[in-house]
Formats: sequence, C-alpha cells, structure tokens
Amino acid sequence: QSALTQPASVSGSPGQSITISCTGTSSDVGRYNYVSWYQQHPGKAPKLIIYDVSNRPSGVSTRFSGSKSGNTASLTISGLQADDEADYYCESYAYTSTLPYVFGTGTKVTVL
Amino acid sequence: QLQLQESGPGLVKPSETLSLICTVSGGSISTNSYWGWIRQPPGKGLEWIGNIYYGGSTDYNPSLKSRVTISVDTSKNEFSLTLPSVTAADTAVYYCARLPSWVRYFDVWGRGTLVTVSS
Repeated sequence: QSALTQPASVSGSPGQSITISCTGTSSDVGRYNYVSWYQQHPGKAPKLIIYDVSNRPSGVSTRFSGSKSGNTASLTISGLQADDEADYYCESYAYTSTLPYVFGTGTKVTVL
Repeated sequence: QLQLQESGPGLVKPSETLSLICTVSGGSISTNSYWGWIRQPPGKGLEWIGNIYYGGSTDYNPSLKSRVTISVDTSKNEFSLTLPSVTAADTAVYYCARLPSWVRYFDVWGRGTLVTVSS
C-alpha cells in the first residue's frame, strides 16, 4: 500500500476557491469516512484542519471544507488568503490494511 | 492544554541507533489515546512510523517494523522511539503526535525535531 495521490501543486488568486484531490483505493479512502487533512506551513508541524472527511476542529476557518466521492477525497479552500499558502496533506485510515495510517503525497498551495 | 515535545540527538552516525523521546505535558499519557511517531524527510511528505497505547500495545509501519521500537514510560509521562542501524535515508524531521482512541486522526502534534544521519 503506497501513499495517497495528491497533485503536486495548486495555485489561485486571493479570494478565489481551489480544490485539492486525494485519491486512494477501495481499501482506505473509499472504504471508511476516516479522511483527514493537515496544513503545514514551512518549518512548522502539521495542523489538523479537517477530520472524518468533512468536519472542522474548533477554531479552524469555515473557508476550509472537505468531501469524498468514491476513492477520492477533496479539500476546498474558499476565499483564498495569503496565509493559506502552505503544504496540505490528506491522511486515511485503513483498518484491514497492514498500513493502517497512510498520508497523501502532499500539495503545495500557492497564492498568486 | 496538551503539549508534546520531542527531544534527542540531532546528529546520528550511520549504522548507529536513533533514539528520541516525546514528553507529554498538560495532560496524562495514561488516557484513552494512542501516541504516535511520524517522520518527514527534507522536502518530502509525511510517513507514519507507528503508534503505542499507554498500556503498551503497538502498531508499526510494515516498512520499518523490523527495525523500529516504540515504548512508553507512564511514570515519566513520555514515550520513545528507537531506530537502530540508521542510514542517510532515515534523515528526517521526526514528529510525535496524539491519536485519541475513539478517532482516526492525529489531533495534537509536537514541533518536530530534525535528525540528520551523517558521519
């Protein structure tokens, strides 16, 4: 089982909306509603921004939203802001797998 | 507020053992949670290493299972990572994190510590 597939980079202008995809398999993303998303600014630790596909932890902006269709999960950032420029990683749980926690390849978001 | 802090040598020689400790503050490690290690090679993505429950049960990444050991010391409120026979491929920022047992995501992370494997 290898890493979940994400686009290497996504960019957008301030105020626009962007979507990052995260493609797995029927054994992980497609099987459970246990997809989470993390934001990582340079030199910082990852920060949880979405859990269980579409839930936001307390304090996370409502501009971040998540969804899933089949084996692909998505993170949408609306009203793009300069501080959204960061790396984003998805993560999925797969109980029956020998690798129960697998991360995505990561996406660099650039605010133009 | 729960906080995690990694500590250990920043430089390890090839073939030697990497040892890191994660100290938990602001709460007890003996709660209904798993405690995990995740690493990130420079410029690359995140890789899950393994988890431990405060009672001692563990899960490891199959790619590292033959080498890695995660243990917990509840009296010190800390857990540790041991990785012997390191190579340059083990150079990474190592993070510790909490995984509450009733969820499937890492909700609290340490700041991370860079470990470089070099002679």
